[in-house]
Amino acid sequence: DAGVTQSPTHLIKTRGQQVTLRCSPKSGHDTVSWYQQALGQGPQFIFQYYEEEERQRGNFPDRFSGHQFPNYSSELNVNALLLGDSALYLCASSFRQSGVTGNTIYFGEGSWLTVV
Amino acid sequence: DQQVKQNSPSLSVQEGRISILNCDYTNSMFDYFLWYKKYPAEGPTFLISISSIKDKNEDGRFTVFLNKSAKHLSLHIVPSQPGDSAVYFCAASNQGGSEKLVFGKGMKLTVNP
Repeated sequence: DAGVTQSPTHLIKTRGQQVTLRCSPKSGHDTVSWYQQALGQGPQFIFQYYEEEERQRGNFPDRFSGHQFPNYSSELNVNALLLGDSALYLCASSFRQSGVTGNTIYFGEGSWLTVV
Repeated sequence: DQQVKQNSPSLSVQEGRISILNCDYTNSMFDYFLWYKKYPAEGPTFLISISSIKDKNEDGRFTVFLNKSAKHLSLHIVPSQPGDSAVYFCAASNQGGSEKLVFGKGMKLTVNP
């Protein structure tokens, strides 16, 4: 049973470019959340998708957008990249109707984005 | 405005001794607290959690204590093992346990053989 998978694992982009990161949730999970973890910081919640809609959003600008597909996989898009967007982007999945406890939220290994 | 604080960036202990990791929070609406462990090049993995209706939760070598009046929680690892060496994150949520977690900055634990 594959856990949460993310791609790509590493990428380098130039300021002003756009990037798309991908996440496949753990089998049986229907909810995907995205987090940004800057160097030396804890993960920060970006947004959450359930039933193909954004359900919750953290304090991130509109340059950050996402999508969830019918198979529950998700994409995170960041437009007009800034140097400060350099970070590890983590995807977390869960099953909404199981109720949320710590052991029902699974994280992927993340995508390292470097903006130069 | 950091709502979850881990004020010590690192801790080093001897194998077999107790490790105590501390976490403070400011938002009184938080009602569910979690600890995650993270190894390099891996995503965070869930360790233990506690609901605000409890003041202690134990799972094997790991115990989490919650002091709501002080808005403080701590993770005790007894006995500490070299494999426990990792970065530990404290996280909190409201709404009875939501996927929207608020994390601290993390603390690096090193357990020396």
